[in-house]
Amino acid sequence: EAAVTQSPRSKVAVTGGKVTLSCHQTNNHDYMYWYRQDTGHGLRLIHYSYVADSTEKGDIPDGYKASRPSQENFSLILELASLSQTAVYFCASSVGNQDTQYFGPGTRLLVL
Amino acid sequence: GDSVTQTEGQVALSEEDFLTIHCNYSASGYPALFWYVQYPGEGPQFLFRASRDKEKGSSRGFEATYDKGTTSFHLRKASVQESDSAVYYCALGGPNSAGNKLTFGIGTRVLVRP
Repeated sequence: EAAVTQSPRSKVAVTGGKVTLSCHQTNNHDYMYWYRQDTGHGLRLIHYSYVADSTEKGDIPDGYKASRPSQENFSLILELASLSQTAVYFCASSVGNQDTQYFGPGTRLLVL
Repeated sequence: GDSVTQTEGQVALSEEDFLTIHCNYSASGYPALFWYVQYPGEGPQFLFRASRDKEKGSSRGFEATYDKGTTSFHLRKASVQESDSAVYYCALGGPNSAGNKLTFGIGTRVLVRP
């Protein structure tokens, strides 16, 4: 079965600090995604990638950067964390266009 | 742009009740439609999908039929169990040359009382 792991599973960060969330998949999938989950908004796409060394903006990219150094790894970077970025973040992967996405367990981020 | 509307924010039921969660979408063409389920402390899990008008998707006793005429993909289960308590997300995936960008609804929390 598809395997997507995320680290850390939870994190407390200070406002203005740098935060890096990591995602690793063993599915051999080309596509990887970062979503954030907030009550009342569901899941919203931040960044995605369909090939190593390339990333694309999603629907809410402001304040976030992404990095895809290899097919298996995809990171989400908050250069200057803000209170509004407190949320649960999910990574997902899929084979290709219109294919089912498989999600990791999530990272709960609290920015103080 | 594409959008998904889930009418019910929360649904409370008793075991063996019939469950319906309404999902309506707005998109051009024939997007793929999905249902995901999320249990507490976990990521969303794929439940099933449908890609064509009148196609029925099903899994674990849940089912939904793609209806382009009413732009709907309502989730139904005939007899719920306490273990079905979770958040359910409807999503659509439009064809896009750069990737499959799923657009999710806000989710429906289902609470099943024993």
